[in-house]
Amino acid sequence: GAVVSQHPSRVICKSGTSVKIECRSLDFQATTMFWYRQFPKKSLMLMATSNEGSKATYEQGVEKDKFLINHASLTLSTLTVTSAHPEDSSFYICSAGDREKAKNIQYFGAGTRLSVL
Amino acid sequence: AQSVTQLGSHVSVSEGALVLLRCNYSSSVPPYLFWYVQYPNQGLQLLLKYTTGATLVKGINGFEAEFKKSETSFHLTKPSAHMSDAAEYFCAVSDPNSGYALNFGKGTSLLVTP
Repeated sequence: GAVVSQHPSRVICKSGTSVKIECRSLDFQATTMFWYRQFPKKSLMLMATSNEGSKATYEQGVEKDKFLINHASLTLSTLTVTSAHPEDSSFYICSAGDREKAKNIQYFGAGTRLSVL
Repeated sequence: AQSVTQLGSHVSVSEGALVLLRCNYSSSVPPYLFWYVQYPNQGLQLLLKYTTGATLVKGINGFEAEFKKSETSFHLTKPSAHMSDAAEYFCAVSDPNSGYALNFGKGTSLLVTP
């Protein structure tokens, strides 16, 4: 089956620093990748849709200058949390759609636990 | 806009008992519906999906769900619960207007007791 690798799985950083999270589709090409945020005991909230070769589409209320998304190739999207603050601590999950198959199937990474001190 | 509502944030069943997790959807277009399972500190694994065709869909680990348009429901069932089924379950609807991004329900935590 399709595999999405997300790295790192866990990161602890100091307030004010930036953190980059990578999302890779290992055995398929993904025209579109999605970034979700999950608060404790809460559901996943879509942050942005990442399209290869174009600017990401952000959901309402998500600061695009704070959560920088780059989708430079068909197998890699990155999310950079800039000037992180404790309120950015969360579980971030990416997903990717296989462009050769039905776009409505999303394959998820294992998530990244971000803790900002 | 599309959305899903999961009834019951926590469900507890005995091992071997029927599992029923409820999901109702709201959609202005024919929906694509999904159930995902999440184990602690892990990503999401697709259990099953409905797009078109047969309304009773079978997934992994013995789970199945039935799409009922008249009831706008997509409830998840499993005849006999196993201890390993304890996890968080999310119902989701796909939004074609957003490039097939998923709108998730709030999740149902399934507890399986011996």
